[in-house]
Amino acid sequence: DAGVTQSPTHLIKTRGQQVTLRCSPISGHKSVSWYQQVLGQGPQFIFQYYEKEERGRGNFPDRFSARQFPNYSSELNVNALLLGDSALYLCASRRDRVNTGELFFGEGSRLTVL
Amino acid sequence: AQSVTQLGSHVSVSEGALVLLRCNYSSSVPPYLFWYVQYPNQGLQLLLKYTTGATLVKGINGFEAEFKKSETSFHLTKPSAHMSDAAEYFCAVSPMNRDDKIIFGKGTRLHILP
Repeated sequence: DAGVTQSPTHLIKTRGQQVTLRCSPISGHKSVSWYQQVLGQGPQFIFQYYEKEERGRGNFPDRFSARQFPNYSSELNVNALLLGDSALYLCASRRDRVNTGELFFGEGSRLTVL
Repeated sequence: AQSVTQLGSHVSVSEGALVLLRCNYSSSVPPYLFWYVQYPNQGLQLLLKYTTGATLVKGINGFEAEFKKSETSFHLTKPSAHMSDAAEYFCAVSPMNRDDKIIFGKGTRLHILP
């Protein structure tokens, strides 16, 4: 079975631009979470979606938004990019809503903002 | 609220020596505890987790961790280090049985000396 897949793997944007990152969860997984990992730091929680509803939001500005589609795939959008948004963006999926199950991570989308 | 402190951003051990990576947590409710590993340019992979039951948890690749409630610790150990263990290790906490985010520590980079 395919793991969590993310696209694009790498991208370069300039300040003020907008970016959309995509994630396909493992088949049968209904929960998708997004994390931001700045170089040298641990992942920071951005969003969690379950059954197309937002179930949690981290301490990120409104420039960050996400959605989940009927097939459980997800998109993360970041508007008005800042240099500080440069990071590895990780998507993770889990079968259930509650946190007993293992989070499966994709390999991430590395965003560089110039 | 939950938080995680990993002691030592870099740890070096000789091949064949004991690996000990320290993690202390803070949680206002009973926690679930996790260790994840991240190899270069890859996503995170679950090493082991503590949910309920036995406090000594065995994971993949010969790693284990012990949940010590009195010390609020969840240290990761491996009796004999292998060169392939060189990676970044993240301790993480989440409130038990909740629809909630996982909080990661800042990570410890493990270096294996030949």
